[in-house]
Amino acid sequence: KQEVTQIPAALSVPEGENLVLNCSFTDSAIYNLQWFRQDPGKGLTSLLLIQSSQREQTSGRLNASLDKSSGRSTLYIAASQPGDSATYLCAVSFSGGSNYKLTFGKGTLLTVNP
Amino acid sequence: NAGVTQTPKFQVLKTGQSMTLQCAQDMNHNSMYWYRQDPGMGLRLIYYSASEGTTDKGEVPNGYNVSRLNKREFSLRLESAAPSQTSVYFCASSELGTLPYNEQFFGPGTRLTVL
Repeated sequence: KQEVTQIPAALSVPEGENLVLNCSFTDSAIYNLQWFRQDPGKGLTSLLLIQSSQREQTSGRLNASLDKSSGRSTLYIAASQPGDSATYLCAVSFSGGSNYKLTFGKGTLLTVNP
Repeated sequence: NAGVTQTPKFQVLKTGQSMTLQCAQDMNHNSMYWYRQDPGMGLRLIYYSASEGTTDKGEVPNGYNVSRLNKREFSLRLESAAPSQTSVYFCASSELGTLPYNEQFFGPGTRLTVL
């Protein structure tokens, strides 16, 4: 079964710290991987998408990496701020079936303390 | 651009009642999706429409029907609501033909409670 796992389920850090969120997936045959942010009671905001042919993507203080061979992706957040507090979701499109379907991890709840 | 919009934002139903959740996107995307989000289960795909005129089942389609009304609109219908359908429902859209392929954009969600 194709699965996506995010560890830890929750993370609390002081403001200004650099941090890494982890995502692992069970099948290295992927189409792409997408990181989302979700604020409480809100929808999902797309942060970064990495195609299977890419190793990383950057947007501002965010950097996402992809290692298909080990089935891992990381989301690096530099100089964290209280406004970064949210749930971060990783989602994978696996190849071989429907390339449209996203399989989601259960998320990491990030709290950045002032 | 409004992106992906959903109506209603909140709904309370009694068991056995029916309702339709509406979704529209103004990004000219070909593909649209319905997901549900439940505590401890994450987001799961209910139905998707790869292009106008086509629909396919996702991971949890039982108890739901969909209609791709046109390129902009994709509706989700509950014919006879059950308490197990209490959830937050998200609509999403994406474009498969241009880079970045299949980046999915989500609406704000509909919070549904079935009593």
